[in-house]
Amino acid sequence: DSGVTQTPKHLITATGQRVTLRCSPRSGDLSVYWYQQSLDQGLQFLIHYYNGEERAKGNILERFSAQQFPDLHSELNLSSLELGDSALYFCASSVASRAGGYTFGSGTRLTVV
Amino acid sequence: AQKVTQAQTEISVVEKEDVTLDCVYETRDTTYYLFWYKQPPSGELVFLIRRNSFDEQNEISGRYSWNFQKSTSSFNFTITASQVVDSAVYFCALSEVMEYGNKLVFGAGTILRVKS
Repeated sequence: DSGVTQTPKHLITATGQRVTLRCSPRSGDLSVYWYQQSLDQGLQFLIHYYNGEERAKGNILERFSAQQFPDLHSELNLSSLELGDSALYFCASSVASRAGGYTFGSGTRLTVV
Repeated sequence: AQKVTQAQTEISVVEKEDVTLDCVYETRDTTYYLFWYKQPPSGELVFLIRRNSFDEQNEISGRYSWNFQKSTSSFNFTITASQVVDSAVYFCALSEVMEYGNKLVFGAGTILRVKS
């Protein structure tokens, strides 16, 4: 157990729908990162939150949004889902802001049908 | 921009063979971190190693070893006496420092198949 908890583990939904992925970071970690792993794009950074505030955005679609709550858990919201959004979504957390290296959760596998 | 290249898409070996996974990176940062992660069929990302750009010492951990060469911007990973349980996708990654943290730039991954 990495200490980073992602729920649900699997999600199957239809095109056009909206889903929410949840991430609980390791105790004490202030940073939460979201990554997407798809067949065509590989593993890519989506967004970073530090202590409740958005700090950096990567290749995140406008249909996607995220937030980090006061208890430091984070949610990634995906809306108007398309078949191409099917992917493995990882959350990672880190305590040190720049030291490099963090712990990944086990991921949420999203299948859009 | 940061870039990581893992030129080997897939490698197949027979158990007990040694295998080296290549990783070449590009960065303009003077301080950076390099990583290797393992992704078994179950899908999670398993951290293997983190290396600071100032530390060019090679590292060995059991059957795993890493060769970091700044002069060639490479960070190769060798598994000695491979086992079937080593079958997985291996990712090399490079940190890109941001204002409040760092993001990882991943290579495309190398699929390693170890046959018994």
